[in-house]
Parts: sequence; C-alpha cells; structure tokens
Amino acid sequence: EAGVTQFPSHSVIEKGQTVTLRCDPISGHDNLYWYRRVMGKEIKFLLHFVKESKQDESGMPNNRFLAERTGGTYSTLKVQPAELEDSGVYFCASSQDWDRLSFLTFGAGSRLTVL
Amino acid sequence: RKEVEQDPGPFNVPEGATVAFNCTYSNSASQSFFWYRQDCRKEPKLLMSVYSSGNEDGRFTAQLNRASQYISLLIRDSKLSDSATYLCVVNTNAGKSTFGDGTTLTVKP
Repeated sequence: EAGVTQFPSHSVIEKGQTVTLRCDPISGHDNLYWYRRVMGKEIKFLLHFVKESKQDESGMPNNRFLAERTGGTYSTLKVQPAELEDSGVYFCASSQDWDRLSFLTFGAGSRLTVL
Repeated sequence: RKEVEQDPGPFNVPEGATVAFNCTYSNSASQSFFWYRQDCRKEPKLLMSVYSSGNEDGRFTAQLNRASQYISLLIRDSKLSDSATYLCVVNTNAGKSTFGDGTTLTVKP
C-alpha cells in the first residue's frame, strides 16, 4: 500500500513568490490533514478535509494560505504571497475514518524555505 | 499555556537504561492519546496509542491518568535505535490532533 506522498520535498522561493504543495493521501482515506512545523515550534494543525469538504480550517494562519481538495482525492496547499515566517516543514496526513481512536499517517513533508 | 506540554529534554542515556517521558494536556474534553516518534528530518510515525488501562508494546509502556490529565511513556532497555524525538499527541472529538513540542532522546553506547 502506498503511503502519503508529498511534493515537492523541498522548495526554496523568494519572499513574495507563490508556492503550491501537493499531497496524495493513502487511497481510500477520506480524511486529509495539513500540519506544519516552523523552526523551534511544535507541529501545528492547519486544516482538515473530509473528502472534498473543509471540516476544520481553524489553524490556517491567514488568507495567504489556500487549501483545496477537488474531487476528494489529492490536496494542494498554496501560499501566495510567501513571507519569511512561512518557512518550515508542511506535513500532510490522512486517516480512513475519523473517530476517537483514529491515528494519522504522515507524509514525509514538504520543506519550504522563503528567502 | 500550551494545550499539550512535554518535558523538553534532551534526554541522554546509556544503552540499556530505562527512561520515562511525561506529557500533560489541558483540554479535559480530549478523547484519545498517542505517542508518535519522529526521526531527524523525517515524518512523525505512530509509536503507540495510549489506553486508559495502560498498555505495553515490547519495551514500551504507556500510561494515562485522566484525572491528572497526564500521559507517560516508559522505555526499558534502551537501544541506540530508540534515539529520536517522541511526540505526545492528543485528539479531541473535533477531529484535530494537538502535538506537544516533543522530547528528544539520545541513547549512547
């Protein structure tokens, strides 16, 4: 079974540019999550999709971040325009169900460096 | 105050040692609890779930105290391969996992 895959693994952009990160969850997993870890901080929740719907986007830092999951399969996270403080590792995770026992399977992460 | 707090470490122990990590959480509505392991520059991976009655998986034992809102992870007979960052994770019914900062463990020969 293929795991959660993320692309790109590393992106280096200049402040003001746009970056789009992609996540392919495990096939059949309706629940898809984005998290990020910025330098020296804990992994923080960004948002949660159930199929194509945004279940919870309370963790999105501001309107420069846009997440989509058209068709309920893969998801993209766009940062436009990128700022220096957006640098960090963006993790995608998926789970088949959501109940209190569900755990997350993470992708390897997309490391974003904004110069 | 952070929702999930862990001993920051780092913990540096010799092979064969027993080491314990602590974690506290502030949201009394939290429903489920996990320990994840994260190796350097890798993604977090589930180590074990934490059940109310406590549970053991080989050298690893997890405990939960709901009254004190406290979770622990005990590693016995530490191996070099146990060196990693251990993340305490708490789920609420809202479907959101909240992570602690992680505790770094280095096991030395």
